[in-house]
Amino acid sequence: DAGITQSPRHKVTETGTPVTLRCHQTENHRYMYWYRQDPGHGLRLIHYSYGVKDTDKGEVSDGYSVSRSKTEDFLLTLESATSSQTSVYFCAISEKDRDYEQYFGPGTRLTVT
Amino acid sequence: EDKVVQSPLSLVVHEGDTVTLNCSYEVTNFRSLLWYKQEKKAPTFLFMLTSSGIEKKSGRLSSILDKKELSSILNITATQTGDSAIYLCAVGRNRDDKIIFGKGTRLHILP
Repeated sequence: DAGITQSPRHKVTETGTPVTLRCHQTENHRYMYWYRQDPGHGLRLIHYSYGVKDTDKGEVSDGYSVSRSKTEDFLLTLESATSSQTSVYFCAISEKDRDYEQYFGPGTRLTVT
Repeated sequence: EDKVVQSPLSLVVHEGDTVTLNCSYEVTNFRSLLWYKQEKKAPTFLFMLTSSGIEKKSGRLSSILDKKELSSILNITATQTGDSAIYLCAVGRNRDDKIIFGKGTRLHILP
């Protein structure tokens, strides 16, 4: 299995609080992605990174920010969590020269009450 | 707007049957099409397709890409209960390195 970990694996938080999810990889892959998965919507891209300090928005980026200060870490921050951000969050990594074959982390289940 | 559409959304068959899952796409700057299997946790990679007409095979699973029809199929022969999962199709594009997922096909195999 690709070396990808996510932390925390489960979190319950209250509306309005800030939350940071961490994705850590040991594969030295250039590309890292944050997705959310909700019933009926499949996987939707929140943000992605194509290198250290290089990030771009996905299709559902409102209310989320990201940072990548090291190759191995990609952080997703919810500045002020809302109930609509209750979801399962997956991190993924890939390499462009492998035509975007992606490997996923185990996921973080976030509940905003 | 680029999109990936999978059909059917849900499918129930009996063990031993053969199933065909469909994926169609409207994506500019296409680079690759990927198939994933998702059981109760994270998606796991199955196939990546970049060239039209070349079948990729892994055991009872196979997949082929048709760039003219902008589609791909995933075939599973002699299905087993362990094949029950959500099958995700995704397309990578060149212009911004994004990968766009379809909503998935939920496959349930009855014993």
